[in-house]
Amino acid sequence: GNSVTQMEGPVTLSEEAFLTINCTYTATGYPSLFWYVQYPGEGLQLLLKATKADDKGSNKGFEATYRKETTSFHLEKGSVQVSDSAVYFCALSTGANSKLTFGKGITLSVRP
Amino acid sequence: DTEVTQTPKHLVMGMTNKKSLKCEQHMGHRAMYWYKQKAKKPPELMFVYSYEKLSINESVPSRFSPECPNSSLLNLHLHALQPEDSALYLCASSRLVGETQYFGPGTRLLVL
Repeated sequence: GNSVTQMEGPVTLSEEAFLTINCTYTATGYPSLFWYVQYPGEGLQLLLKATKADDKGSNKGFEATYRKETTSFHLEKGSVQVSDSAVYFCALSTGANSKLTFGKGITLSVRP
Repeated sequence: DTEVTQTPKHLVMGMTNKKSLKCEQHMGHRAMYWYKQKAKKPPELMFVYSYEKLSINESVPSRFSPECPNSSLLNLHLHALQPEDSALYLCASSRLVGETQYFGPGTRLLVL
């Protein structure tokens, strides 16, 4: 079956630090990969996505590259801000009529 | 525009009450979803509608009753809930089942 593994959290960083959040997956076929962000008290927002190998998704300074050889989709940002404090979920979908499979999520706290 | 709206934002109900959650999207999406999310956990899929027909029911108790009156609206009718049903209920939509999902802000439900 499909699964998504995220690094254990929480993660606490100082403002302007570099961020990496690891995500690896197991899937049948060729999945689409997603990062969703959930700010405190809110729903999930699509942060970025990639639909095929070597695609790079990017948004709001965040980037993630679909690595088929390592089955990974790590999230990176060069300089985090306090406003990036949120829970980040990695997820995959294997196409038509498939469900979204989520990782456990990781809480990021950025201190001033 | 990738907006999914949900009402109400917050809901408190007793175990004998009947209430409904509403979800709306105007993106022309033909797949709509209900999820339940407990604190610090990823969303759990409850129901999937495709072209206004129920296509997936993840063995959800009958005290939760979904309804899709048209292609833009999705309701979740609640009756005789238990305190453990307290959670954030998220609605999502996608162009078709299996494609990128866009989430609403959620309804935070408290069952007393």
